[in-house]
Amino acid sequence: NAGVMQNPRHLVRRRGQEARLRCSPMKGHSHVYWYRQLPEEGLKFMVYLQKENIIDESGMPKERFSAEFPKEGPSILRIQQVVRGDSAAYFCASSPRSWTRPTDTQYFGPGTRLTVL
Amino acid sequence: AQSVTQPDIHITVSEGASLELRCNYSYGATPYLFWYVQSPGQGLQLLLKYFSGDTLVQGIKGFEAEFKRSQSSFNLRKPSVHWSDAAEYFCAVADFSGGYNKLIFGAGTRLAVHP
Repeated sequence: NAGVMQNPRHLVRRRGQEARLRCSPMKGHSHVYWYRQLPEEGLKFMVYLQKENIIDESGMPKERFSAEFPKEGPSILRIQQVVRGDSAAYFCASSPRSWTRPTDTQYFGPGTRLTVL
Repeated sequence: AQSVTQPDIHITVSEGASLELRCNYSYGATPYLFWYVQSPGQGLQLLLKYFSGDTLVQGIKGFEAEFKRSQSSFNLRKPSVHWSDAAEYFCAVADFSGGYNKLIFGAGTRLAVHP
């Protein structure tokens, strides 16, 4: 039973390029959360998606960032025209439902470490 | 607004010594609280969680945490630390305000273990 998969694990981009981060949730999970961890900081919520729907993107920068979770395939976090300040670890978590029950938990992937040169 | 504070940025203990990592939260209703551990270059692993009931929660790897409502605290403890416990530890609270749950994390406590 594979856990949450993220790829690539490490991504290097030059300023102005695009970064695409992929997240495959655990089998049977239809809810995905993206978090960003800046150097020396804790994780900050970015966006919450269900299949084909963005539920809450309040933590995501308004420009250059977008996220999707299509009916088929992984969730994608896309950063256009990257800048040095985008360098961070980006973590994806999944849960089986909207997690209104105590027995549900968010399971985290290993993260993608983005470095912008 | 909901928030989590971890007052200690770095802690160093000797192997075999006891450990307590502090966590204070601000949340209007009954909180759902979590401790995660992150080893260098790795993702987050859930150590334990508190939802209700017994205020002393047992987790994996010999960790436990105690929920104290009067102090708004959820401190993590381990009676005897092993060198492999060196990692970063994050306390988090689940925010229900949007009708679904998202996690609010503290800034983390980095634990170093001396042999």
